[in-house]
Amino acid sequence: KNQVEQSPQSLIILEGKNCTLQCNYTVSPFSNLRWYKQDTGRGPVSLTIMTFSENTKSNGRYTATLDADTKQSSLHITASQLSDSASYICVVTYTNAGKSTFGDGTTLTVKP
Amino acid sequence: NAGVMQNPRHLVRRRGQEARLRCSPMKGHSHVYWYRQLPEEGLKFMVYLQKENIIDESGMPKERFSAEFPKEGPSILRIQQVVRGDSAAYFCASSPSIPVYEQYFGPGTRLTVT
Repeated sequence: KNQVEQSPQSLIILEGKNCTLQCNYTVSPFSNLRWYKQDTGRGPVSLTIMTFSENTKSNGRYTATLDADTKQSSLHITASQLSDSASYICVVTYTNAGKSTFGDGTTLTVKP
Repeated sequence: NAGVMQNPRHLVRRRGQEARLRCSPMKGHSHVYWYRQLPEEGLKFMVYLQKENIIDESGMPKERFSAEFPKEGPSILRIQQVVRGDSAAYFCASSPSIPVYEQYFGPGTRLTVT
């Protein structure tokens, strides 16, 4: 069964600190892995997208890594800001038509 | 280029009524996906459509739910005889081509069934 598991389920950090979110998947065959940020009450917004051959991708203070052998990905956020408070969702696509499995997300709270 | 548009943003229906949710994909996008997000849960795939065709509806409940993406106009997700358990946020996403490397999400429609 195609599954995407994210950890931790929730995380509280102080403003300015770094954090790393984890995503493990059993999806096969693999097409791409995406990280989204979802603010409360809004639609998800794409942060990074990685295909099989990529093992790191950055978008500003967000850096995603991918280990296709161990089927693990991480999202590292540096110098966190209050506006980083959101749910971060890992999505693994397993067909060319975009069929995807979504993780349940990690809820990040950044406190001043 | 406007993003994915969804309307209404909020919809309240009484049990037994019909709900119609609309999604206008980004300009030039011919692939539309619908997802449901129950409170405190992750997004779950419902259906994938191209113009005038349902490609994959494996996540759609067998009864009361239907979706269409006509040649002209928005994609419609229709829920007949709504029940309280249908209360959720419904998100639409669109993509420009296959293979799909990116899906762009709309702001969602929050359905409340009273």
